[in-house]
Amino acid sequence: EDKVVQSPLSLVVHEGDTVTLNCSYEVTNFRSLLWYKQEKKAPTFLFMLTSSGIEKKSGRLSSILDKKELFSILNITATQTGDSAIYLCAAFAGNNRKLIWGLGTSLAVNP
Amino acid sequence: DGGITQSPKYLFRKEGQNVTLSCEQNLNHDAMYWYRQDPGQGLRLIYYSQIVNDFQKGDIAEGYSVSREKKESFPLTVTSAQKNPTAFYLCASSMTSGGETQYFGPGTRLLVL
Repeated sequence: EDKVVQSPLSLVVHEGDTVTLNCSYEVTNFRSLLWYKQEKKAPTFLFMLTSSGIEKKSGRLSSILDKKELFSILNITATQTGDSAIYLCAAFAGNNRKLIWGLGTSLAVNP
Repeated sequence: DGGITQSPKYLFRKEGQNVTLSCEQNLNHDAMYWYRQDPGQGLRLIYYSQIVNDFQKGDIAEGYSVSREKKESFPLTVTSAQKNPTAFYLCASSMTSGGETQYFGPGTRLLVL
């Protein structure tokens, strides 16, 4: 059965800390991995990763995919209170053409 | 100004009542999706449609129905057969269903009276 597992489920840090969120997957005919940020409403897209070892970066956020070990990480450096959100990871299963979602990591950044 | 709209933002359902959630997109995307989100359960796929006049059941389709008569519209009906409908409902679309990024609407929160 296809599955995506995120860890930790929740995390509390102080402003300025660096955090690493983990996402492992077991998905048939894997095509891509996506990260989203959800702040009380709709998830907003962060990154899509398809190639192993190539880092994607946007400001203080970066992400990388390891297709051999079947995981991805999302790094946030110099965290701010505005980074507080649920971070969702999803893997695209090419056989049934749909996203398999993890449960998310709830990040709280305290001032 | 392209995007996905959902209405209403909040919806109240009485027991035995069918209610319909609206989802419209002007992104010219072929594929559209309905998800249900409950606390601690992540996103669960209800139905998806890869093309007009065609749709497939997701993981939790029982008690729901959809139609896809127009490319830009994918309404979801929560029927009286859905015994636990209280949840946050999210509609999404993607250019195709080939793995491209899904973009989400703002969601509808359904509450049972």
